[in-house]
Amino acid sequence: DTAVSQTPKYLVTQMGNDKSIKCEQNLGHDTMYWYKQDSKKFLKIMFSYNNKELIINETVPNRFSPKSPDKAHLNLHINSLELGDSAVYFCASSPQLGVAYEQFFGPGTRLTVL
Amino acid sequence: DQQVKQNSPSLSVQEGRISILNCDYTNSMFDYFLWYKKYPAEGPTFLISISSIKDKNEDGRFTVFLNKSAKHLSLHIVPSQPGDSAVYFCAASAKTTGNQFYFGTGTSLTVIP
Repeated sequence: DTAVSQTPKYLVTQMGNDKSIKCEQNLGHDTMYWYKQDSKKFLKIMFSYNNKELIINETVPNRFSPKSPDKAHLNLHINSLELGDSAVYFCASSPQLGVAYEQFFGPGTRLTVL
Repeated sequence: DQQVKQNSPSLSVQEGRISILNCDYTNSMFDYFLWYKKYPAEGPTFLISISSIKDKNEDGRFTVFLNKSAKHLSLHIVPSQPGDSAVYFCAASAKTTGNQFYFGTGTSLTVIP
């Protein structure tokens, strides 16, 4: 029974398109995250989100937006895709925001922009 | 600005020997550190953590050491097993930044049977 799941696993698309990646967690956690792992394998936080608070990494372009229909889901919408958006995107969750606790990661979505 | 660094991209160790993975950080406010293990095509999975009030934490074959004065932590795996072959990420967080985690770039460990 997968704790944090993401769909799709692979996504290949053309520059300029708009795409979404879905994430669901069944752990009952309050907080979810999106990370980007670039070609240099650097895993960098993009967003932290719970019911009340969205924390955005200031380096993330506003073409990226998280959308949460409920506590168990945090989807990532990307508008006007660029070549540099090609990366692996990981969703994660943890019990609470702002409390030191390990995060549980999804399997990742490999996005390739052509 | 990369606040957490893993300077060894790869490490090979014989089965049964000790694996030592190193991690350095620059932010003295970091007070919680974790190690994650990642297999190909999977997300990172939590391995072991340590709070800044400790200098050692042990869990079975895995021990994490923290040297705050040197801003350095290490993960020891003993004895190493072929199933330990994976990429290991260290991560650090600080209360002052809302416990956002900063990750290193990972070290790929290969345990040779």
